[in-house]
Amino acid sequence: GENVEQHPSTLSVQEGDSAVIKCTYSDSASNYFPWYKQELGKGPQLIIDIRSNVGEKKDQRIAVTLNKTAKHFSLHITETQPEDSAVYFCAAMEGSYDKVIFGPGTSLSVIP
Amino acid sequence: DVKVTQSSRYLVKRTGEKVFLECVQDMDHENMFWYRQDPGLGLRLIYFSYDVKMKEKGDIPEGYSVSREKKERFSLILESASTNQTSMYLCASSLTNTEAFFGQGTRLTVV
Repeated sequence: GENVEQHPSTLSVQEGDSAVIKCTYSDSASNYFPWYKQELGKGPQLIIDIRSNVGEKKDQRIAVTLNKTAKHFSLHITETQPEDSAVYFCAAMEGSYDKVIFGPGTSLSVIP
Repeated sequence: DVKVTQSSRYLVKRTGEKVFLECVQDMDHENMFWYRQDPGLGLRLIYFSYDVKMKEKGDIPEGYSVSREKKERFSLILESASTNQTSMYLCASSLTNTEAFFGQGTRLTVV
């Protein structure tokens, strides 16, 4: 089955700097890659996603890139703000039944 | 807005008890999922369902069962709770091939 790895596990950046989180997946049949943000005491919430027929997608300060050949995808957050502090999960949707497999998460701290 | 509601935010149960965690979604989604979340391990899939009365095992189904009698409701059952099932449990729902929406989570402590 699908396996998703995520690095780094923790990340500290100064406010205004960029943050990058990298993930790899194992199943070449996976075709949908969502990113979730989880704030303390809340369930994960989708922040951006990308499908396998697209190489890059942007939404304001957030961008995601996908390299299907290398089975890598990355989240880029520019001009970070303290409210970006949270745990971020990458995920891959595995083939049939829309089964979504998550990475272990990255705890991002933005220091004012 | 999509709403996924889990019946309890916090639950404390004794070892050996039968535990029911309930989840209801209000957007007519076909797919529903149960995950458990543990520090450093991310979200691990326990069971999922793609239709009423249908269920599939996830990656860690041992010690759990599920029930989906109605489209909007997906229940997770711990047949005989054990201390290693102390965790955060998250329910989610989705339409086919789209994002999953999560509930707030149930923090279960088994003593």
